[in-house]
Amino acid sequence: EIVMTQSPATLSVSPGERATLSCRASQSVSSDLAWYQQKPGQAPRLLIYGASTRATGIPARFSGSGSGTEFTLTISSLQSEDFAVYYCQQYNNWPPITFGQGTRLEIK
Amino acid sequence: EVQLVESGGGLIQPGGSLRLSCAASGFTFTNYVMSWVRQAPGKGLEWVSAISGTSLSTYYADSVKGRFTISRDNSKNTLYLQMNSLRAEDTAVYYCAKGQRGILAAGILEYWGQGTLVSVSS
Repeated sequence: EIVMTQSPATLSVSPGERATLSCRASQSVSSDLAWYQQKPGQAPRLLIYGASTRATGIPARFSGSGSGTEFTLTISSLQSEDFAVYYCQQYNNWPPITFGQGTRLEIK
Repeated sequence: EVQLVESGGGLIQPGGSLRLSCAASGFTFTNYVMSWVRQAPGKGLEWVSAISGTSLSTYYADSVKGRFTISRDNSKNTLYLQMNSLRAEDTAVYYCAKGQRGILAAGILEYWGQGTLVSVSS
């Protein structure tokens, strides 16, 4: 099973600033990496797949990068609606599909 | 518009059984792998199970293997999760999710339902 590890657990950033979230896989997942956003009381929403492809309707301020074992989600110029929990997930070698433990992005 | 609506959750005693349903609309249901993902209170996401469009292939997390059974009725555009021998640690919100087309891409969970809460307690 591929273990996904996200850092940091909590990130405090001011509105308008840039946020950088990291995700590491225990073995290479090529570019088969997705990012999800989850707000309180809501289902997760797909943001990024293929490590860098934005899902339908996702604003351009969200960008993903990386391959192999190291990945980054960058949110430029944070908006109030971006404060949420973010999960990375690998689909290179499934089952099982595995998620990171999440990064909580909070307002500084 | 893709819609996934889960139902069937509730309070159940340890050792009991429950069947969850997920009604799908807005896409050709039979063409897509469907998954169940759960989230314990205050915790992260855990993939539970998946099923191919034709039901020929089913997949399970080790934590539920032998206790849960995934199935689908393509004539009713409905996904199911039969949960037996429930334990306290199965308490979670259960989401159904639609994968993208393709063998690997089926693991990209592009649409999710709103979830249904299962509470296992005496």
